[in-house]
Amino acid sequence: GAGVSQSPSNKVTEKGKDVELRCDPISGHTALYWYRQSLGQGLEFLIYFQGNSAPDKSGLPSDRFSAERTGGSVSTLTIQRTQQEDSAVYLCASSRTGTHNEQFFGPGTRLTVL
Amino acid sequence: GEDVEQSLFLSVREGDSSVINCTYTDSSSTYLYWYKQEPGAGLQLLTYIFSNMDMKQDQRLTVLLNKKDKHLSLRIADTQTGDSAIYFCAESRAGGYNKLIFGAGTRLAVHP
Repeated sequence: GAGVSQSPSNKVTEKGKDVELRCDPISGHTALYWYRQSLGQGLEFLIYFQGNSAPDKSGLPSDRFSAERTGGSVSTLTIQRTQQEDSAVYLCASSRTGTHNEQFFGPGTRLTVL
Repeated sequence: GEDVEQSLFLSVREGDSSVINCTYTDSSSTYLYWYKQEPGAGLQLLTYIFSNMDMKQDQRLTVLLNKKDKHLSLRIADTQTGDSAIYFCAESRAGGYNKLIFGAGTRLAVHP
C-alpha cells in the first residue's frame, strides 16, 4: 500500500475484554514500531520489531500487552483484560531498516475502554 | 519525569516567527527530530538534525541544537494558519535502531 495502515481506526471495548490492533507497514520496511499516545501526553514507545523478532519489548506496560509480527509484514498488538488506563491512541510506524531511517506513521487506532 | 520536555502551548500571529523549544536528557542521542501532527492525521516528519550539528535550515524551518545544554529548538519563519498543529520533539537513542523518545508535544495556534 501507499502508507502504513492500521485497523480498526476506533475501538470501544468493555473493561476486562481482550482487543487486537492491527498494523500493515509499508511494503519492504523491515523495522516496525508500536507507540501509545495517551491524552495530553507524548508518544510512548512500546515495542520494536526487526523482521519477525522483537529485540526491544521494554516499553510494554504489563504482561497483558503482547505483540507479534508474521512474514516480516503485518503486526498485531494484543491487550488482554483491558483496563480503563489502556485507553489511548495506538500508533504504528515502519521504516526501511532499524537504524536512522524515517519512520512513517499510521493514522492510529483510538482505543476506549469503558 | 519525562526524558524530553516541551512547553505545551504557543500562540503566534500569522506572519510572525514561531519558536518551539525542547530539552532532552540523553547525551548519547544520535538524532533529534521534529514531527508535526495535524488534527485527524498521522505524525509527519518535518526535519531532523544529527547530534554533531548545531544548526539546520530547510526553507522556513530552522533547527538549532545546543548539545551542551541539551536544548533543541524549531523556528518557523512567516508562520501561516496551515502551520497550526501539535509539534513533537523526539530523540533517538543509540543502539542500532531508531527508538524514538517523544516529548508531550507543543500545540501551535496561529491567529490572524
